[in-house]
Amino acid sequence: QKEVEQNSGPLSVPEGAIASLNCTYSDRGSQSFFWYRQYSGKSPELIMSIYSNGDKEDGRFTAQLNKASQYVSLLIRDSQPSDSATYLCAPYGGGSYIPTFGRGTSLIVHP
Amino acid sequence: GAGVSQSPSNKVTEKGKDVELRCDPISGHTALYWYRQRLGQGLEFLIYFQGNSAPDKSGLPSDRFSAERTGESVSTLTIQRTQQEDSAVYLCASSSSGTSWNNEQFFGPGTRLTVL
Repeated sequence: QKEVEQNSGPLSVPEGAIASLNCTYSDRGSQSFFWYRQYSGKSPELIMSIYSNGDKEDGRFTAQLNKASQYVSLLIRDSQPSDSATYLCAPYGGGSYIPTFGRGTSLIVHP
Repeated sequence: GAGVSQSPSNKVTEKGKDVELRCDPISGHTALYWYRQRLGQGLEFLIYFQGNSAPDKSGLPSDRFSAERTGESVSTLTIQRTQQEDSAVYLCASSSSGTSWNNEQFFGPGTRLTVL
C-alpha cells in the first residue's frame, strides 16, 4: 500500500511570508513528484513537478526533493491571499502508472 | 488549446437510476484517468486508460461502476443503480503519456453528482 502523508492543516501564514508545505511518501520507487493546487470547489491544477534531488524554482514556488529521506516539499515565497488553497502532493512511478495523491494541506494566507 | 472538458457539470439523480458521465481529454493525450472526490476528502483513483491497452480498473469500488474509452478520445463513466454514497465530484484527467516519468496530469472541471 503506497502512502503519501501531508499535514492536513490548515497552515495559516501572513501575506508576504514563506509558506512551507511538506510531504512524505512510502514508495522508494517513485521517480516523479508533482504538486497540484486545488481551490475550493475547483479541480486540481498542476503547479510544480520535480524529478531530481535538490531544488527546483519557478517564480515564487520552489520544490525540494530528497529521495533518500522520501521527502518532498513546496515553498511559496511572498505568499498572497490568492495562494489560499489546498495543495496536493503526488508521487509517481515505482512500477505503477497511477499517481498516488496525498490528502492535501490547506493553506490560508491572511492579509 | 482546449483543456479537458467534462459533461454534465452537475447531475442530480434519484437513487437506483443509472448515470453516464463524459470526459473529453486534451487532443493527443494517450492517458486518461477517472477520480472520485467526496466532499472534504482526497482524490480516489477509479480507472486508468492508456492508448489501446486494457484499462486498469483496480480502483472501481463496485461492479456498478464501469468506464469505456474509444481509442484516445472520449471516455464515459457509467454508474448503475446509483446509491447515495455515490454522491461526489467525478474528475477526469488526461496526460500526454501515462507510461513516462513525465506524467503531468491535466484535470477537467469535474461533474458534481448528487444522488437523492
